[in-house]
Amino acid sequence: GQQLNQSPQSMFIQEGEDVSMNCTSSSIFNTWLWYKQEPGEGPVLLIALYKAGELTSNGRLTAQFGITRKDSFLNISASIPSDVGIYFCAGPHPTNAGKSTFGDGTTLTVKP
Amino acid sequence: GAVVSQHPSRVICKSGTSVKIECRSLDFQATTMFWYRQFPKKSLMLMATSNEGSKATYEQGVEKDKFLINHASLTLSTLTVTSAHPEDSSFYICSAAPGDANHEGLFFGSGTQLSVL
Repeated sequence: GQQLNQSPQSMFIQEGEDVSMNCTSSSIFNTWLWYKQEPGEGPVLLIALYKAGELTSNGRLTAQFGITRKDSFLNISASIPSDVGIYFCAGPHPTNAGKSTFGDGTTLTVKP
Repeated sequence: GAVVSQHPSRVICKSGTSVKIECRSLDFQATTMFWYRQFPKKSLMLMATSNEGSKATYEQGVEKDKFLINHASLTLSTLTVTSAHPEDSSFYICSAAPGDANHEGLFFGSGTQLSVL
């Protein structure tokens, strides 16, 4: 089946630092989604990418959809403590949205 | 954005009892909802697709008699963990989408932490 590999698995950074994480796939996706899950909560959509090569920003977050449609990165600039959480990339299933393929997540810890 | 409400957020129960978790779409109708299970620091694992007015579709390896799903209305799906045992302890999350989920993403409930003693 389809797989999404996220790296790094976890990050421990100082407040104010920039963060970069990426996601690679064994197959092509036409849409790429990035979610954030805070402790004890459900995931929340951060950014959606629709076109190969697309670069999209949402506040301090920037994400790009790779040209090959098999990879994506998410950058967070000037991190703050509330950025703590698990960041998941996801590729939608063609016929069942609930079966979206999720990466294993990147756990981000921000030290004040 | 769309709101999906999940209740309870946390439940502790004795082994052998049944636990019901509710998932509601507050500002949209959802003919389909999804139930996931998540282990600590792991990704979401789809358990089943809840279909309004019909039987749920379970993923391979998920016991349908163990995890009963009911989707009686367009805004409510329930997951009942029957005869819960300690190995059922986990974080359960539901999701739904008001529109094209593959384009706009899924909206998730806040999750239910189940602890079976």
